[in-house]
Amino acid sequence: QVQLVESGGGVVQPGRSLRLSCAASGYSFRTYAIHWLRQAPGKGLEWVSAISSDSIYKYYTDSVKGRFTISRDNSIDTLYLQMDSLRPEDTAVYYCARSLIRGLWYFDLWGRGTLVTVSS
Amino acid sequence: EFVLTQSPGTLSLSPGERATLSCRASQSISSNYLAWYQQRPGQAPRLLIYGASTRATGIPDRFSGSGSGTDFTLTISRLEPEDFAVYYCQQYGRSHPFGGGTKVEIK
Repeated sequence: QVQLVESGGGVVQPGRSLRLSCAASGYSFRTYAIHWLRQAPGKGLEWVSAISSDSIYKYYTDSVKGRFTISRDNSIDTLYLQMDSLRPEDTAVYYCARSLIRGLWYFDLWGRGTLVTVSS
Repeated sequence: EFVLTQSPGTLSLSPGERATLSCRASQSISSNYLAWYQQRPGQAPRLLIYGASTRATGIPDRFSGSGSGTDFTLTISRLEPEDFAVYYCQQYGRSHPFGGGTKVEIK
């Protein structure tokens, strides 16, 4: 079954860190770029970060640059998001999602998401 | 700044009716790099349309996309109960912003 499953969310105080994981199965994980997106409670979708299939290229939205780090381990079909210096405005459901075509970032496969709450 | 504006914010319709959702871009979208997603309550988004008019795998043919340049439309020909959800458009060329969404609710 082709799927993405996120984990690692939870409640964390401002300024602390959290690492999210996304486990892929049912397809050739190493072939495609993969992304993190988020959705604040009651809000719309926001792209957060992307990593190329070979980890050479990494991209971030401006609001997380210098605080978040994306990485992947193709040997175990897993994507990560290291989130440091967390802020209340980072509170959201975080989704991992796949894009099929290099440079064309529409997302054909999504995980169910993991909730990150940043609060004191 | 590239902005996608979706309208209306909420669409109240009955099952069996036709839904027409609009997505307007602040700048012309090249090569029709426009996608539509459906998000049911408590679920992840689901890709419906890419390339402005190409249905994704497994998407019923009651969903259709059209448009070019700055004006795009998602049409649901006959609403089924499972179609009541929030719909987002997304530009995926040089940048990849999402619109604010249109909620299709039961009248």
